[in-house]
Amino acid sequence: QVTLKESGPGILQPSQTLSLTCSFSGFLLSASSVGVGWIRQPSGKGLEWLATIGWEDVKHYNPSLKSRLTISKDTSNNQVFLKITSVDTADTGTYYCAHSAPYWYFDFWGPGTMVTVSS
Amino acid sequence: DIVLTQSPVLAVSLGQRATISCRASQSVSISSINLMHWYQQKPGQQPKLLIYRASNLASGIPARFSGSGSGTDFTLTIDPVQADDIAAYYCQQSRESPFTFGSGTKLEIK
Repeated sequence: QVTLKESGPGILQPSQTLSLTCSFSGFLLSASSVGVGWIRQPSGKGLEWLATIGWEDVKHYNPSLKSRLTISKDTSNNQVFLKITSVDTADTGTYYCAHSAPYWYFDFWGPGTMVTVSS
Repeated sequence: DIVLTQSPVLAVSLGQRATISCRASQSVSISSINLMHWYQQKPGQQPKLLIYRASNLASGIPARFSGSGSGTDFTLTIDPVQADDIAAYYCQQSRESPFTFGSGTKLEIK
């Protein structure tokens, strides 16, 4: 059974660095064609893909935020991390991590963690 | 980037067919593989995969849902629509990075 759960700071101030953790079970990130992605959603708005890390440490980033994003993994502890530097109010929203199947679609999602950027 | 265009709202009567479209700014198909996927999101919940690679029903999804299309034009069909289907529906392409989502279609009941 594949499960994922996001964790984060809840609230942070503008210009700080947002650190998110995705803890998962039910699959191995070292397995071929497997990945974990991060997707965010401002309140009342649509989905925005941020980054995906794959089985051979292959990384894909959304170019619109690439300079601010770092995705990494701890395979032995079944965790994936996302850091976003220099946050501002536009980074407020719900952040999801999701299991990425072959062909890079997302078949299992975590419940999401809400992040608010406010001074 | 590949831009995916969806109509914002679709109103359908219960028991009728709903057809939700997604148009890509360029082809999302490689040979016979159509890299378009569909998700359902209900208020306060995470998205759920409905259809992958254009026409494959995800595990546990009722057969009322189906997908079709190739190249740049794709369709999600719900037939018949039930009250539980009230949600936002998003398409997503994985033909190339960045893996973009459409802006979503909200399904409403007439």
